[in-house]
Amino acid sequence: EPEVTQTPSHQVTQMGQEVILRCVPISNHLYFYWYRQILGQKVEFLVSFYNNEISEKSEIFDDQFSVERPDGSNFTLKIRSTKLEDSAMYFCASRGVLEETQYFGPGTRLLVL
Amino acid sequence: RKEVEQDPGPFNVPEGATVAFNCTYSNSASQSFFWYRQDCRKEPKLLMSVYSSGNEDGRFTAQLNRASQYISLLIRDSKLSDSATYLCVVKYNDYKLSFGAGTTVTVRA
Repeated sequence: EPEVTQTPSHQVTQMGQEVILRCVPISNHLYFYWYRQILGQKVEFLVSFYNNEISEKSEIFDDQFSVERPDGSNFTLKIRSTKLEDSAMYFCASRGVLEETQYFGPGTRLLVL
Repeated sequence: RKEVEQDPGPFNVPEGATVAFNCTYSNSASQSFFWYRQDCRKEPKLLMSVYSSGNEDGRFTAQLNRASQYISLLIRDSKLSDSATYLCVVKYNDYKLSFGAGTTVTVRA
């Protein structure tokens, strides 16, 4: 069964450093998403991406965040200058054109020290 | 008011029991509704979509009441493997899902 993959599974970084989280969506999907979940809290929408541009973003997704689809398979989330409060699990998701279901990757656990 | 509110539980039930819990949503323009399951420190996984007429998938039954903006999930004949956090999820448009904080269910032997 096709699945969304994410790398790395864990990342530890120093405050102020840049991080790039990588995702490989399911191959024929065209809608891509990033969500985050701070420990003990709910899953929160960050951004959606379709047709090589951002479709919608939340108030969390400020100028420190960016997304990119650098090639035909990867979808990345960059945090330019990490803050302590960016520590969370980051989930990538993808969806096919005629589907409602979003399929989630296993997540990247980011710890900012 | 939160977009999606859930009874956090925890619900601690014996194997074989029936457990039910609810969710309310604030946006009457919501289009689609889902229950996802999340195991500890793992990704959310779709359990089932929720349709206006109510729907069943094996031991799981979901109900939707659009007038009251209310969704429910019932688990019959609980198994140990049903222990998880159940996430009520609402879709407003094509671009994002809104999650509730989750209801924790623990099934004990």
